[in-house]
Amino acid sequence: GENVEQHPSTLSVQEGDSAVIKCTYSDSASNYFPWYKQELGKGPQLIIDIRSNVGEKKDQRIAVTLNKTAKHFSLHITETQPEDSAVYFCAAGPGGNNRLAFGKGNQVVVIP
Amino acid sequence: NAGVMQNPRHLVRRRGQEARLRCSPMKGHSHVYWYRQLPEEGLKFMVYLQKENIIDESGMPKERFSAEFPKEGPSILRIQQVVRGDSAAYFCASSLDVGDQPQHFGDGTRLSIL
Repeated sequence: GENVEQHPSTLSVQEGDSAVIKCTYSDSASNYFPWYKQELGKGPQLIIDIRSNVGEKKDQRIAVTLNKTAKHFSLHITETQPEDSAVYFCAAGPGGNNRLAFGKGNQVVVIP
Repeated sequence: NAGVMQNPRHLVRRRGQEARLRCSPMKGHSHVYWYRQLPEEGLKFMVYLQKENIIDESGMPKERFSAEFPKEGPSILRIQQVVRGDSAAYFCASSLDVGDQPQHFGDGTRLSIL
């Protein structure tokens, strides 16, 4: 089955700086790559997703890039704010209505 | 516009008891997924259901665990004869029936086994 890995496990950034989280996946059949943000005591919240027919997608301060050849995708958060502090999960799946395989998560800490 | 609703938020059971976790999908969503999260781990897929059908249960333990999504009412994840290792957060997600749709998650049920 699909195996998703995230790096680094913890990331501390100064407020206003950028944060980048990388994920790799193993199954070349995966075509859908969402990112979720999870705050303490809450469920994962979808923040952005990308499908394999595009290489980059942007939504305000958040962007995701995908390299299908190398089987990795990254989340970029620019101008970080304290409210960006959370655990971020990447996931991969074959697309359509289907199971997702999740990475173990990155703890992002934005230092004011 | 209510999101995915899970209840209870917290559930405490003694070893050997049964646990029932409920999930009401977002309005208009007919696909439901259950995931389990252990501390400091990612989410692990358990089962995917549509109304009255189990589509993929490859992530669910063969014994003690079952899931349903009846024509009326919420989806239920049932764990019989719970053991300490069942302690985890259980999350439900739902998606629309049309094409390539993202999964939206509830806030989970935290199950603790004494």
